[in-house]
Amino acid sequence: QQQVRQSPQSLTVWEGETTILNCSYEDSTFDYFPWYRQFPGKSPALLIAISLVSNKKEDGRFTIFFNKREKKLSLHITDSQPGDSATYFCAASLSSGSWQLIFGSGTQLTVMP
Amino acid sequence: NAGVIQTPRHKVTGKGQEATLWCEPISGHSAVFWYRQTIVQGLEFLTYFRNQAPIDDSGMPKERFSAQMPNQSHSTLKIQSTQPQDSAVYLCASSRGTGGARAEQFFGPGTRLTVL
Repeated sequence: QQQVRQSPQSLTVWEGETTILNCSYEDSTFDYFPWYRQFPGKSPALLIAISLVSNKKEDGRFTIFFNKREKKLSLHITDSQPGDSATYFCAASLSSGSWQLIFGSGTQLTVMP
Repeated sequence: NAGVIQTPRHKVTGKGQEATLWCEPISGHSAVFWYRQTIVQGLEFLTYFRNQAPIDDSGMPKERFSAQMPNQSHSTLKIQSTQPQDSAVYLCASSRGTGGARAEQFFGPGTRLTVL
């Protein structure tokens, strides 16, 4: 049973376009949602994160939009660049419980120049 | 700051052999996590330690996997009687104690285990 789901599985966009990556979760007790980015051959690294108290979190070209009622998040990447090509993982955790991260299956993004 | 160090980077074992994977967390980090990454299953949590104490091993296959943290500078993941389905990249991560579950987890380069 997947607790964190991501779509699409893979996505190709052109340089300069806005990329939208989707994430949804099942467990309503999750309250913290980091996004990790993994470049080919590298390890995941934290990109941006949002907590349950926020609807939106912005960091440069990266913005998370959060719909708590529907338990859905989306990561928007504006002015996508070839250097953004990577796999993006949405994760969830419970602040008051185990510190483990529960990861989605990831979205592989390719940005064409 | 060297980041999280994992050794070996690659390990090949025969079916039924034992594999021990090592992790050195970032100095000063009090939490150490082990994850496994495969194409099919993605990133799966295995276990974690806080201040060297085992806290949550809910992701560990019970029979052949074990993890220890004998001191604050290293943790080991041991797999006995390795099976082909254990082939994966094993990732170690560490985080500061402050921030709890919200503290950023810093991942090491991983150990790629191949079981023939």
